[in-house]
Amino acid sequence: GNSVTQMEGPVTLSEEAFLTINCTYTATGYPSLFWYVQYPGEGLQLLLKATKADDKGSNKGFEATYRKETTSFHLEKGSVQVSDSAVYFCALRRLAGGGADGLTFGKGTHLIIQP
Amino acid sequence: GAVVSQHPSRVICKSGTSVKIECRSLDFQATTMFWYRQFPKQSLMLMATSNEGSKATYEQGVEKDKFLINHASLTLSTLTVTSAHPEDSSFYICSASLGGFQFFGPGTRLTVL
Repeated sequence: GNSVTQMEGPVTLSEEAFLTINCTYTATGYPSLFWYVQYPGEGLQLLLKATKADDKGSNKGFEATYRKETTSFHLEKGSVQVSDSAVYFCALRRLAGGGADGLTFGKGTHLIIQP
Repeated sequence: GAVVSQHPSRVICKSGTSVKIECRSLDFQATTMFWYRQFPKQSLMLMATSNEGSKATYEQGVEKDKFLINHASLTLSTLTVTSAHPEDSSFYICSASLGGFQFFGPGTRLTVL
């Protein structure tokens, strides 16, 4: 079946540090890949996405590249801010294309940025 | 835009009672909504897919008679936990599909005593 594995947290960094959160997946076919962010007390928000191999999703300084050869979708940011403190979820959608289908999530990585 | 609400945000009930959780898309219509469950320090697990005007599709291992889903309109889906027990205590999250993306509600914390 489908699964998503992401690095365990919490991850604690200083402001302006470089961030990498690893995510690998197992899936049949060609899934779409997502990163969601959950700020304290709020619902999940879509951070970025990629729908095919070698696609790079980017938003708010965050980037992730869909690597089919390594089945990975690692999240990166060059210089983190205190406001980036949140829980980050890597996820995949089973169907390629725009079909409405449920997501498979990783366990989430709690990111803490210290001033 | 694309706001999804859930009600209630928290509920505490006695064992054996039923609890209804509402999920609403506030500014768009959603043919498809999803229900997830999240245990502490665990990932969100898809429970079921709710389609307006038809029966919900449940994931393997999820009891459909335990978790009743009704998608009565394009903006409302409800999840009823019937005869709740302490092991049903969890964080329940819904999402609504729009343009191939899912927009999530803030979640409902259910505690069964």
